[in-house]
Amino acid sequence: AQKITQTQPGMFVQEKEAVTLDCTYDTSDPSYGLFWYKQPSSGEMIFLIYQGSYDQQNATEGRYSLNFQKARKSANLVISASQLGDSAMYFCAMREGYPGRRALTFGSGTRLQVQP
Amino acid sequence: DSGVTQTPKHLITATGQRVTLRCSPRSGDLSVYWYQQSLDQGLQFLIQYYNGEERAKGNILERFSAQQFPDLHSELNLSSLELGDSALYFCASSGSDTYTEAFFGQGTRLTVV
Repeated sequence: AQKITQTQPGMFVQEKEAVTLDCTYDTSDPSYGLFWYKQPSSGEMIFLIYQGSYDQQNATEGRYSLNFQKARKSANLVISASQLGDSAMYFCAMREGYPGRRALTFGSGTRLQVQP
Repeated sequence: DSGVTQTPKHLITATGQRVTLRCSPRSGDLSVYWYQQSLDQGLQFLIQYYNGEERAKGNILERFSAQQFPDLHSELNLSSLELGDSALYFCASSGSDTYTEAFFGQGTRLTVV
């Protein structure tokens, strides 16, 4: 079964607007972490934001925020005031707490294109 | 700059050959993970080392092996290469086995011809 699901293969957004990238996850582990990474066309994986399963507040990092809804098992990334440089692939990932399962499991990604 | 260094950035080799990919983790990080990103399989976890010992295995083929040395750098060895092994190989490091962030190197793009 898919542990991380990203249902939006591609998204378009106008420059300066906000955009939400969806991510749902599946785990029975009470302790887990959720991550978002950006992969521009150059290929590197850039860490954006992290949310722990016990964190009470939604994580924020500059223009990035994570809308964490634990009961719905969703961890959507919100990018505010989109910029042309935000055009990239975005991956949601999860790390579970069980020993031996602490590697990241990735979703299939969402390609975001920011239009001027 | 994530602080994780991977070499080489690009590698072109023929089928049947053997290559070694190298990763230097961020200073002080004990845990190294290897991932493979291919068009058909997406991003997949291969193997993890923690302070020199193998900690977890993912979808790593028997033709592939890895090790982590006393200075904590890691090498991923790929042998009897096939066309389907062409992919972007990433190394990531984190401070401990349960540390939150995992920072990725720039990747090694392997092309098997």
